[in-house]
Amino acid sequence: ETGVTQTPRHLVMGMTNKKSLKCEQHLGHNAMYWYKQSAKKPLELMFVYSLEERVENNSVPSRFSPECPNSSHLFLHLHTLQPEDSALYLCASSQDSGTGSEKLFFGSGTQLSVL
Amino acid sequence: GQNIDQPTEMTATEGAIVQINCTYQTSGFNGLFWYQQHAGEAPTFLSYNVLDGLEEKGRFSSFLSRSKGYSYLLLKELQMKDSASYLCALKDSNYQLIWGAGTKLIIKP
Repeated sequence: ETGVTQTPRHLVMGMTNKKSLKCEQHLGHNAMYWYKQSAKKPLELMFVYSLEERVENNSVPSRFSPECPNSSHLFLHLHTLQPEDSALYLCASSQDSGTGSEKLFFGSGTQLSVL
Repeated sequence: GQNIDQPTEMTATEGAIVQINCTYQTSGFNGLFWYQQHAGEAPTFLSYNVLDGLEEKGRFSSFLSRSKGYSYLLLKELQMKDSASYLCALKDSNYQLIWGAGTKLIIKP
């Protein structure tokens, strides 16, 4: 198993659908993150969990709902998305959050298309 | 405000050297990262600089000048597999990561 695994790799959904993205990390890390990556734009931090508690929510619309049932798993529940939500959604983990040299380990992402 | 600038795209030749620049403005600084991202794959960590100077790691080196708000990633003996996007990111005074938009590097034979 690689360090951070995301499923599905690709997802096409209509605006009225409900779907979930899944992330699993096998590194024993304490912090997990959701990022949105749009073409030619900087990574946008969406949510941060540290020891299963949400520590950051960067003004993300309520149609995105995160869930962290334990330190190894992270979900992003999607509901009534808009076409502008089409992007690559990346999950990442780190040993801890909030320190200087802490590096992130990313999953390969879910490429989401909203029709 | 805080922002990071890096070139959108660069082209280089196999076997050559390329320098990817990253300039930034920030109210506080707790280190600068470089990540590599191949198309359709996860970003992977390349380097971290918190003090001024050059850090060398094989064919890749990263340089930082805090007084100038400037960093670069130097890639030597370029290989085709180095074709990727290179992401610059800094940690601000609150340890939040601020990301650049990435530089797409194209290597030609």
